[in-house]
Amino acid sequence: GAVVSQHPSWVICKSGTSVKIECRSLDFQATTMFWYRQFPKQSLMLMATSNEGSKATYEQGVEKDKFLINHASLTLSTLTVTSAHPEDSSFYICSGSGGTEAFFGQGTRLTVV
Amino acid sequence: GESVGLHLPTLSVQEGDNSIINCAYSNSASDYFIWYKQESGKGPQFIIDIRSNMDKRQGQRVTVLLNKTVKHLSLQIAATQPGDSAVYFCAENAGGTSYGKLTFGQGTILTVHP
Repeated sequence: GAVVSQHPSWVICKSGTSVKIECRSLDFQATTMFWYRQFPKQSLMLMATSNEGSKATYEQGVEKDKFLINHASLTLSTLTVTSAHPEDSSFYICSGSGGTEAFFGQGTRLTVV
Repeated sequence: GESVGLHLPTLSVQEGDNSIINCAYSNSASDYFIWYKQESGKGPQFIIDIRSNMDKRQGQRVTVLLNKTVKHLSLQIAATQPGDSAVYFCAENAGGTSYGKLTFGQGTILTVHP
């Protein structure tokens, strides 16, 4: 299947700083990227949907000013967690879709201390 | 104070047994369903999918059954192996133009004992 590469796989940051997570589609053009968040022992929850060249659509309860999503090209989307707090510590997972299937990245474990 | 969180259902089987993992979905408009396997610290791994115009689909050692009447999905794993131990999620695609916008079920922890 197609490959989505997510980087970094884990990151530790100090409270109040910002962290950027990258999601790249390596062998297909991802017209749509999805960002999910997963807390321990819970399921994946969709945070936002982004289409290349457009503003992201955020799910209810997700702060768009806190979780900045950029999807400037068909192979790269980024999620920036701004002014991170300990409660933002979670597993963040992206997926890319070219229209008929969606492929997941490996996930990023964010720990805010 | 005590924190309250979700507790995933668990299924424990012996190596070689067949496993059945169940999932109820909520959106009758969903037209595409996928089962994922997630190992600790990793992203979801695609196992098998099924479209709403089918009620059964088979893969290698896995079978997915879809009952649209009661909005129920199941994953059957034949001859379960220790390497199958993971958390299994069903996911539904609501259809329309947002292909890949998935709603995940709560997940089931599968433990396979040698």
